[in-house]
Amino acid sequence: AQTVTQSQPEMSVQEAETVTLSCTYDTSESDYYLFWYKQPPSRQMILVIRQEAYKQQNATENRFSVNFQKAAKSFSLKISDSQLGDAAMYFCAYRSLSAGGFKTIFGAGTRLFVKA
Amino acid sequence: GAVVSQHPSRVICKSGTSVKIECRSLDFQATTMFWYRQFPKQSLMLMATSNEGSKATYEQGVEKDKFLINHASLTLSTLTVTSAHPEDSSFYICSARVGTGNSNQPQHFGDGTRLSIL
Repeated sequence: AQTVTQSQPEMSVQEAETVTLSCTYDTSESDYYLFWYKQPPSRQMILVIRQEAYKQQNATENRFSVNFQKAAKSFSLKISDSQLGDAAMYFCAYRSLSAGGFKTIFGAGTRLFVKA
Repeated sequence: GAVVSQHPSRVICKSGTSVKIECRSLDFQATTMFWYRQFPKQSLMLMATSNEGSKATYEQGVEKDKFLINHASLTLSTLTVTSAHPEDSSFYICSARVGTGNSNQPQHFGDGTRLSIL
């Protein structure tokens, strides 16, 4: 069965610095999607970035970028020039289509604190 | 920017009743809408994806007859929790985007609905 692991329950970063949130997953599928979601204290979700497994190029979205290592089944999120508004819960997710239908699995989340 | 309105923001009802949650895209046509569930300890689940005018595609393990999803127009999708019980209490979140399938169009999220079943 597929699993998604976010090994860091909490992370802290100084404003303007760079932080990397880790995510590893386990799957036997070759084609799937990976996502990073952000949930600030307001609880309104934001889809930060998405990566198709067949694409070797790492996805980027402004200050957010991923390091996708397919062989290692790793999908870390790098936040550059951290801002106070980046403080949130970050969820990594995996989605694939199998014979039984779509299945999306979320990690437990990493809470990011940003220090001024 | 694109706005998604979710209503109600909070609902408390008795066990056995059915509860309907609405998700509206206010300034764009939402070809695709998504429904998520967030459990009390914050873990998330994508419940289903709905395309306007067609049946929702439920994720594995989600009870279709329990969680009825309707996406009858390009601006409205509803989630009905039928015969709700305390274990259905959660934070339900919808999101909407333009485009179907694996579109790269941004997803816009509602503010969520806190459902509490007594």
